[in-house]
Amino acid sequence: DIQMTQSPSSLSASVGDRVTITCQASQDISNYLNWYQQKPGKAPKLLIYDASNLEIGVPSRFSGSGSGTDFSFTISALQPEDVATYYCQQYDNLPIALTFGGGTKVEIK
Amino acid sequence: QLQLQESGPRLVQPSETLSLTCTVSGGSISSTSYYWGWIRQPPGKGLEWIGSVYYSGSTYHNPSLKSRVTISVDTSENHFSLKLSSVTAADTAVYYCVRSVAALLDHWGQGTLVTVSS
Repeated sequence: DIQMTQSPSSLSASVGDRVTITCQASQDISNYLNWYQQKPGKAPKLLIYDASNLEIGVPSRFSGSGSGTDFSFTISALQPEDVATYYCQQYDNLPIALTFGGGTKVEIK
Repeated sequence: QLQLQESGPRLVQPSETLSLTCTVSGGSISSTSYYWGWIRQPPGKGLEWIGSVYYSGSTYHNPSLKSRVTISVDTSENHFSLKLSSVTAADTAVYYCVRSVAALLDHWGQGTLVTVSS
């Protein structure tokens, strides 16, 4: 099974700061990596798919990059409404399986 | 607009079977483009994929839960269901139903907290 290591587990930053979260896969997953935002008490929301593609309607301050085993997710200028927990998620095709990273809780300093 | 709604008992006795249904509205569960699945989240913890089903009935499960999980689809009722057997307190979680497009989880239900307790 592919394991996903996400870091940091939490961070605190100021409004306007650049924030970066990383996700490392235990083996090559090409670009099969998605990022989700979960606000307290709500269902997760897809932000980035296939490592670097922005979901329709998602603000451009969110971005993703990487391939193979190392991936990153960036908020270019943190906003108060970005307070949430962010998860990476990979998928295998043979057999079909989905795995999430442990999550990163983002707070405002 | 597509909506997914979970329903089922909120309290389950240990060793019993947890049963949930996800009703899909605003779209057809019989579309060949999508899978339908279940994700769970224990209180204060991260997300765990339980399994997915295709409209044809083909299913895929998390290996760690496979022996206890049954996921089925009812195209006539436009809903799909989850059964998790032999539950323990560790199965207490918010259970979400989801739609997936090539494993992109693009629509989520609001989630339902299921507590396993006597």
